[in-house]
Amino acid sequence: DGGITQSPKYLFRKEGQNVTLSCEQNLNHDAMYWYRQDPGQGLRLIYYSQIVNDFQKGDIAEGYSVSREKKESFPLTVTSAQKNPTAFYLCASKRGQGLADTQYFGPGTRLTVL
Amino acid sequence: AQSVAQPEDQVNVAEGNPLTVKCTYSVSGNPYLFWYVQYPNRGLQFLLKYITGDNLVKGSYGFEAEFNKSQTSFHLKKPSALVSDSALYFCAVRDWSTNAGKSTFGDGTTLTVKP
Repeated sequence: DGGITQSPKYLFRKEGQNVTLSCEQNLNHDAMYWYRQDPGQGLRLIYYSQIVNDFQKGDIAEGYSVSREKKESFPLTVTSAQKNPTAFYLCASKRGQGLADTQYFGPGTRLTVL
Repeated sequence: AQSVAQPEDQVNVAEGNPLTVKCTYSVSGNPYLFWYVQYPNRGLQFLLKYITGDNLVKGSYGFEAEFNKSQTSFHLKKPSALVSDSALYFCAVRDWSTNAGKSTFGDGTTLTVKP
């Protein structure tokens, strides 16, 4: 079964804690993305990676960190510096940097700060 | 810079009637346009895309979209709506002005199909 998996599906965090969201893909895609979705808003780009060992900040990177040590994995850490982390987080991947390439999305992780 | 607008937060249609979900865009060069659907607490599913060629693009689940360059629009359509089409729909755009093929997404339109 090919695709993108995200875990956990639901995550609860106390204020002041860092948490890491997992994203794995077996599509052999080079590019991976993290988005944040809030009610009534579109997807906002947090970080993206075009290739292993390289990543760039998106539009709302403050309070987040990522790594890309393996092609299939792109974990996102939500740090205590992120002031309003409660949101739905979506991971996506696509084959490469081509403009015509389709992005494929994981099922998402819903993070709630208690 | 690229941008996309979905002017309607909500669209309501009766089952069996045609549906349209609107999307307009702004890009520096030639647009690459995408439609996605999202069911509650799920990721986005790809429906269709316009790259070049025929202005009418056919996609999954009977959906189609018409690219109109003069009106800078890419409206999503379906001839006969189903209750199961009720979901959140996103339009997205890319063009040559962005790095790494990044997409800009609209805010989404909630489609409700009533029996």
